[in-house]
Amino acid sequence: DQQVKQNSPSLSVQEGRISILNCDYTNSMFDYFLWYKKYPAEGPTFLISISSIKDKNEDGRFTVFLNKSAKHLSLHIVPSQPGDSAVYFCAASALNQGAQKLVFGQGTRLTINP
Amino acid sequence: DAGVIQSPRHEVTEMGQEVTLRCKPISGHDYLFWYRQTMMRGLELLIYFNNNVPIDDSGMPEDRFSAKMPNASFSTLKIQPSEPRDSAVYFCASSLAGGQGTYTFGSGTRLTVV
Repeated sequence: DQQVKQNSPSLSVQEGRISILNCDYTNSMFDYFLWYKKYPAEGPTFLISISSIKDKNEDGRFTVFLNKSAKHLSLHIVPSQPGDSAVYFCAASALNQGAQKLVFGQGTRLTINP
Repeated sequence: DAGVIQSPRHEVTEMGQEVTLRCKPISGHDYLFWYRQTMMRGLELLIYFNNNVPIDDSGMPEDRFSAKMPNASFSTLKIQPSEPRDSAVYFCASSLAGGQGTYTFGSGTRLTVV
């Protein structure tokens, strides 16, 4: 069973516009959420995170929104740049319960068109 | 620090052969994780260690898979015998306790079993 789901395998956005990547989760014990970015032939790298006590976290062009009642989070990238083209993974953990492991989604391939 | 180092980068082997993947985590990191990336399931956690002790191996697909961490600077993931369905990219990651789920991933080993 997939506890973290990214239902869009791919997304194409025009340079300068907003990119919105979505993620749903099923486990109500999850209390910490992260986004990782992955370029080809490299490992994923940490991008941004959010605790369940917040509903928004912003870091430069990247903002993560959390809707706990809907068990949904999203990553907004504004404005989108060609270097943002990558695979984005959503991840979740029950950090406050002492769990160190992350459960990842399937990933969404984002392509930014010039 | 050179980051998390995985070897080999690519491995092609025949069905039935033994395969050993290697990982050197970042010095001082308490946790080590083995993940497998496939198109269908994204990043799946196979096993993780804390201070060289296996904590959760519930993601290991079957008895053909085994992992060890003989010391703080080295871990192996072994598949014996290998099967074509094991073909995937295998990632090793390490993190600090209290690191809020921010892992450092290696570049991965692309395994092809023919």
